[in-house]
Amino acid sequence: NAGVTQTPKFQVLKTGQSMTLQCAQDMNHNSMYWYRQDPGMGLRLIYYSASEGTTDKGEVPNGYNVSRLNKREFSLRLESAAPSQTSVYFCASSGTINEQFFGPGTRLTVL
Amino acid sequence: GQQVMQIPQYQHVQEGEDFTTYCNSSTTLSNIQWYKQRPGGHPVFLIQLVKSGEVKKQKRLTFQFGEAKKNSSLHITATQTTDVGTYFCAESKAAGNKLTFGGGTRVLVKP
Repeated sequence: NAGVTQTPKFQVLKTGQSMTLQCAQDMNHNSMYWYRQDPGMGLRLIYYSASEGTTDKGEVPNGYNVSRLNKREFSLRLESAAPSQTSVYFCASSGTINEQFFGPGTRLTVL
Repeated sequence: GQQVMQIPQYQHVQEGEDFTTYCNSSTTLSNIQWYKQRPGGHPVFLIQLVKSGEVKKQKRLTFQFGEAKKNSSLHITATQTTDVGTYFCAESKAAGNKLTFGGGTRVLVKP
């Protein structure tokens, strides 16, 4: 089992460009999450999906959209990237006691 | 909304010494989870505490849930360089719901 995978690992964008971060899990989990982590900071929830077909806003949803494509995949889209979105993005899925399994992260820089 | 505060933010520890990090809330917590994130890595689930006054141990790590379920602590004995990282606590409610993460305690170990 690969657990939670994310692509790409690194990305550099120019202000105004768009991109989609991909996330997939092979643990048959219902719930999936997107977090951002700024340098030296904690984790802030962007969006989450409690089950296939549903998505909900987290703490910092502005500037992002998500798609729960199927049970395995949950993507995060930046329509018009801004320097304030420079961060490390983690995808996670949750198990039977709601413990979070995190992917390796995407390190995004917006110039 | 619900906030989970962690203290201290930073902890410098001499190798071999013990230390404790705390997780506090102004309201009663449902369950508490603890995670460890190594530098450059992703958060990894350590443990969940559910019951009032619960104590769990993992080798040199001791986790405790307060009697009033408003605080939790992580105590590490005989600190090693492998303990370097950021330790997060998070309140977990029902399965599939979002977690509320604390800001983390960054631990640096002096050899």
